[in-house]
Amino acid sequence: EAEVAQSPRYKITEKSQAVAFWCDPISGHATLYWYRQILGQGPELLVQFQDESVVDDSQLPKDRFSAERLKGVDSTLKIQPAELGDSAMYLCASSFSGGESYEQYFGPGTRLTVT
Amino acid sequence: QQPVQSPQAVILREGEDAVINCSSSKALYSVHWYRQKHGEAPVFLMILLKGGEQKGHDKISASFNEKKQQSSLYLTASQLSYSGTYFCGTEMETSYDKVIFGPGTSLSVIP
Repeated sequence: EAEVAQSPRYKITEKSQAVAFWCDPISGHATLYWYRQILGQGPELLVQFQDESVVDDSQLPKDRFSAERLKGVDSTLKIQPAELGDSAMYLCASSFSGGESYEQYFGPGTRLTVT
Repeated sequence: QQPVQSPQAVILREGEDAVINCSSSKALYSVHWYRQKHGEAPVFLMILLKGGEQKGHDKISASFNEKKQQSSLYLTASQLSYSGTYFCGTEMETSYDKVIFGPGTSLSVIP
């Protein structure tokens, strides 16, 4: 069964350092999402791609976060510089998009700890 | 814009039933339901679309009241495997494909 891949699974970094996360969605899924999930809360959308284009990044802290999906397939989320408050689970999800509502398939996530 | 979920947490004994509610102040196109077990990624349960029928599989079903912008998830004859956090995600008519997740309902099923 196809899955969404993410790496690394765990990342510990010091504040002010740069960190990057990678996501490979299910083949054929045009829509890719990056979420941040703080323990005990629901996933919060950071950025949504349709193919290589950003369709929503209204909640992305653009002074320190950036995301790209250059060829419309895999994607990278970067934080520079990392702050203590960035410690969270970063989830990537993908869905087939065809004008209707489709389920999202989530990857295993990257657990980020900023010290 | 974040949907409201209730209750925040519930503890059941095996075999008991539970209802989890989700409501929004915005006009909705669809409601998604996901379950997340501790340390794992959310897993899709079902989608309810505006104008669609009540959905269900096995002993988990859901309804969507379009007029009230509310959805309910029904778990009947609960099993230990039902334990986890249940999230509803709402998709507004003005922004297809963008799902906003609620804060979650923690469900614990005990023997």
